[in-house]
Amino acid sequence: DAKTTQPTSMDCAEGRAANLPCNHSTISGNEYVYWYRQIHSQGPQYIIHGLKNNETNEMASLIITEDRKSSTLILPHATLRDTAVYYCIVRPGTSGTYKYIFGTGTRLKVLA
Amino acid sequence: KAGVTQTPRYLIKTRGQQVTLSCSPISGHRSVSWYQQTPGQGLQFLFEYFSETQRNKGNFPGRFSGRQFSNSRSEMNVSTLELGDSALYLCASSSRDLQPGELFFGEGSRLTVL
Repeated sequence: DAKTTQPTSMDCAEGRAANLPCNHSTISGNEYVYWYRQIHSQGPQYIIHGLKNNETNEMASLIITEDRKSSTLILPHATLRDTAVYYCIVRPGTSGTYKYIFGTGTRLKVLA
Repeated sequence: KAGVTQTPRYLIKTRGQQVTLSCSPISGHRSVSWYQQTPGQGLQFLFEYFSETQRNKGNFPGRFSGRQFSNSRSEMNVSTLELGDSALYLCASSSRDLQPGELFFGEGSRLTVL
């Protein structure tokens, strides 16, 4: 079972910030939070990941709460091309493995 | 740099047949993992290979198997196909073993079982 909980769907106006929440209340100390997105019929695309500090890259920002039980992915200026399913994943603590457990994700629809 | 390449992109099989899907990872990537995506079950982990060794396996029946070659290319095989095996099969590669790393996914192989 996925270790994360996300809303099923969200809408966001084009040009506005999209804030996608994720709950991971059972996260272990050595587990990272990863975000991927999947545009229709394509393979998932990596967005960002973090352990405990907030992270930012050219695509998005990741805000992780101090207790690490939840996080928020922020797309600062959403465009129509950001319409996709967004997955929040907690990477298993075993090092050297890439067994990712994807949940159902959040279907983000960016509206013109 | 070329991305993850999966072949074939689309294929149609009938029940009882077997199928082999191929994945060429990004050059230099040694870890390859496979996922099955269906509307009902979402993205599910099949197995992962590193340096020709299966490192992890998901909860799939023995009809699903895979292997990795010395050049890191990987194949997965599904024998005795069932209707429920119709899915998008995704391959992903990664390079930063033992460190938190990102997965690079291919476009997938869409299998239809009739």
